[in-house]
Amino acid sequence: DTAVSQTPKYLVTQMGNDKSIKCEQNLGHDTMYWYKQDSKKFLKIMFSYNNKELIINETVPNRFSPKSPDKAHLNLHINSLELGDSAVYFCASSQEPGIYGYTFGSGTRLTVV
Amino acid sequence: GDSVTQMEGPVTLSEEAFLTINCTYTATGYPSLFWYVQYPGEGLQLLLKATKADDKGSNKGFEATYRKETTSFHLEKGSVQVSDSAVYFCALSDGGSNYKLTFGKGTLLTVNP
Repeated sequence: DTAVSQTPKYLVTQMGNDKSIKCEQNLGHDTMYWYKQDSKKFLKIMFSYNNKELIINETVPNRFSPKSPDKAHLNLHINSLELGDSAVYFCASSQEPGIYGYTFGSGTRLTVV
Repeated sequence: GDSVTQMEGPVTLSEEAFLTINCTYTATGYPSLFWYVQYPGEGLQLLLKATKADDKGSNKGFEATYRKETTSFHLEKGSVQVSDSAVYFCALSDGGSNYKLTFGKGTLLTVNP
C-alpha cells in the first residue's frame, strides 16, 4: 500500500485549461501539504491543511485552489494554466513534523504547452 | 525567518570516495533537522534526522550531527556508491504551530563507477 499517493503521475495540457491533481494518504496523519518543485529542484511550499483546515497559504496565484474533503485527501485545482505552472507538484503528509518530518508522494509532473 | 543553506552542486565523485555536503541553518528556537534524498523521477525520502543539539542521525551509511554552536548539520558518508547518485535536501522544522519544513535548495550528487 502506497502511503501517500498522487494522481496523475504525468499531466500534459494546453495553456488556459483547468486541471486537478489528487492526493490521498493512508497514514492517519492530520496534516497535508502541497509543494512545487521547479526545474532547478527548488521546493516551495504552497498550502497546508490540518484536519481539513487551511493553515498555510503561501503567496500563490488565485488560480491555485486546494480542497480537503477529509483529512486523508488534499486535492489541488489549477485554473487557466500558464506555461510557468510547469513543474513537479508534490503532496506530503505529517503527524509531528518536528519529530518525524514529512512523508512525500511520488510527484505529479505538470507540463503546460 | 528560518532558512537553510546548502553547498551548491553539482558534486561529482568516484565510487568509494568520501562525501560531505555542507548544511547550515538560521532559526529561532530549537529546530529539528533533516536530510532528505530524491532519486531520479521519485519523491523525497527521509534519510536521517536529529531533533536536538549533539544528536547524530544515521542511515544507510550516511551520518549528520546537529551542531548548535556552528548551526550546522553536514551530511557525510565514508564510501559512496553509484546508487547514491541523487539530489540531497537539508531541511529544518521550527516546531511551531504551522508545522512547516523549510528546505535548502538541494545538492545534486553524481557518483561515477
